Amino acid sequence: DGGITQSPKYLFRKEGQNVTLSCEQNLNHDAMYWYRQDPGQGLRLIYYSQIVNDFQKGDIAEGYSVSREKKESFPLTVTSAQKNPTAFYLCASTGELLGNEQFFGPGTRLTVL
Amino acid sequence: RKEVEQDPGPFNVPEGATVAFNCTYSNSASQSFFWYRQDCRKEPKLLMSVYSSGNEDGRFTAQLNRASQYISLLIRDSKLSDSATYLCVVILYSGGYQKVTFGTGTKLQVIP
Repeated sequence: DGGITQSPKYLFRKEGQNVTLSCEQNLNHDAMYWYRQDPGQGLRLIYYSQIVNDFQKGDIAEGYSVSREKKESFPLTVTSAQKNPTAFYLCASTGELLGNEQFFGPGTRLTVL
Repeated sequence: RKEVEQDPGPFNVPEGATVAFNCTYSNSASQSFFWYRQDCRKEPKLLMSVYSSGNEDGRFTAQLNRASQYISLLIRDSKLSDSATYLCVVILYSGGYQKVTFGTGTKLQVIP
């Protein structure tokens, strides 16, 4: 079955530690996205990538980094510079630049202890 | 003004009721519009695209009003299973990139 997988589902980290969230898709989609969702709030864009080896900052990129070395993979690193990292992180992809809807992975819930 | 605005609700409606949500957007050049459904602690899932001519999928009807810059979602004969948060999404294409903006969501609770 085609889809987007994110791992782990739940992640706990201590303050000051970097942590990497995985996002893999086998949909052959070119564009991939990372969002953050806080309780009672909408999705905010962290980074997106329209093609391999290219990515752009979203609205809240500070404290995060990404890479896009392969079409199917778009990992997100939450660095110690991110002051309030506890949130629900969602990865998404789209198949075409124009008009196509986004498909989401199941999300990773990150908690900083 | 926010780029995309939704009434957060909650909308508490009895089973069988008809309920409508609106979502306004600020950039008149926006080109694609969607409604997503998000259940508690789950990822958003596409409910339906929104076309200028309006579109219907069973009990759900979506409409776009470009002149007034809003999209709407109508749910008829509400079911308990419709309880969720409904997110509108507006996409603007510019310079080869697409800017995707989500609304904060409208929470619907269907009551027995």
